[in-house]
Amino acid sequence: NAGVTQTPKFQVLKTGQSMTLQCAQDMNHNSMYWYRQDPGMGLRLIYYSASEGTTDKGEVPNGYNVSRLNKREFSLRLESAAPSQTSVYFCASSFPLRSQETQYFGPGTRLLVL
Amino acid sequence: GESVGLHLPTLSVQEGDNSIINCAYSNSASDYFIWYKQESGKGPQFIIDIRSNMDKRQGQRVTVLLNKTVKHLSLQIAATQPGDSAVYFCAEQDGDGSGGSNYKLTFGKGTLLTVNP
Repeated sequence: NAGVTQTPKFQVLKTGQSMTLQCAQDMNHNSMYWYRQDPGMGLRLIYYSASEGTTDKGEVPNGYNVSRLNKREFSLRLESAAPSQTSVYFCASSFPLRSQETQYFGPGTRLLVL
Repeated sequence: GESVGLHLPTLSVQEGDNSIINCAYSNSASDYFIWYKQESGKGPQFIIDIRSNMDKRQGQRVTVLLNKTVKHLSLQIAATQPGDSAVYFCAEQDGDGSGGSNYKLTFGKGTLLTVNP
């Protein structure tokens, strides 16, 4: 099993450009998450999907949209990238979104917005 | 909302010594805690977890201690090795979903552990 995979690994965008970050998991997990990690800020939740067909905002959703394409895939879209969105983005998944369930993370996408 | 914090941002130890990484939390409703290890350029990796009905849990070379009275969590690594060098995060989960948290994790900012050979 590959676990959680993310593409691309690296991306450089110009301000105003759009892009979609892809995430897939093969652990048959119901819940999926997108986080961003900035120096000194820890991991902050952008959006999550408790189950296929549902999505909800996390702590820092502004400037992002998500799509839960199916049970395996959860994408994050930046419609008009801004320098403040320069960050490392992590996707994670867990078996239902419920109490005491560990989240497993992908390797991350490093995004630079110029 | 309440968040998890760390006592020490950096910790440097000699190879073979034991390491202790500390974490304070303030949400009394949290009932599940996880320690993650993040190596440079990689995603967080699950190390060990503990539920609030326990005060100690052991894994391979790692032990997590939970003191609910003072809302304190620690990760002990025995016989620390160079491969243990990484950033360690604690995370907490609000067990009753109060405040709209819906069992999401709240992460601390991390402690950088450096192991000197």
